[in-house]
Amino acid sequence: AQSVTQPDIHITVSEGASLELRCNYSYGATPYLFWYVQSPGQGLQLLLKYFSGDTLVQGIKGFEAEFKRSQSSFNLRKPSVHWSDAAEYFCAVGSTNTGGFKTIFGAGTRLFVKA
Amino acid sequence: EAGVTQFPSHSVIEKGQTVTLRCDPISGHDNLYWYRRVMGKEIKFLLHFVKESKQDESGMPNNRFLAERTGGTYSTLKVQPAELEDSGVYFCASSEGRAGKAYEQYFGPGTRLTVT
Repeated sequence: AQSVTQPDIHITVSEGASLELRCNYSYGATPYLFWYVQSPGQGLQLLLKYFSGDTLVQGIKGFEAEFKRSQSSFNLRKPSVHWSDAAEYFCAVGSTNTGGFKTIFGAGTRLFVKA
Repeated sequence: EAGVTQFPSHSVIEKGQTVTLRCDPISGHDNLYWYRRVMGKEIKFLLHFVKESKQDESGMPNNRFLAERTGGTYSTLKVQPAELEDSGVYFCASSEGRAGKAYEQYFGPGTRLTVT
């Protein structure tokens, strides 16, 4: 069965420091991979996606992610974190079946940013 | 362009009562999805509409949940009767119908349901 693992429930980084959020997935075929962010009181916002092609994907707000098939990973990175990046981040994999589509989410990683 | 909207943003009801959640997708989006996040758990898929038809309702927890999408526009999710374990945040998402875009889901802000 498809699944997504985010091993870190929460992470604290200093403003200006680099960030890497880990994500591992389990999926039989070539996956559709996503990172979403949810800020307090907001909905889920798509940061970036990977469908095919270049394994290093650029997203919004200065985020990037790298798809590594050999490690079944899709880690999210940002070189310099801003206080406004404090939010909850979700890695997800898209699953297709019987003509339908659904997104399978990881449990989320809450990012705290300290001054 | 307006995003996905959900109403209400918050609902507090007693066990045994009925609640109806509404989702208005982005105009022109054929695909509409419902998801739920129970406290401390992952966001879980509930069902997928293509226009007015249910494409996949494999995630619906039980027959106390009824989803409709009349006319292929907005959707409602009714919980009747509500139980304590139904508490959580219910998200709606929509995506275009054309190939390559169907996988790009736009999420609403969610409805926080509290059953007491």
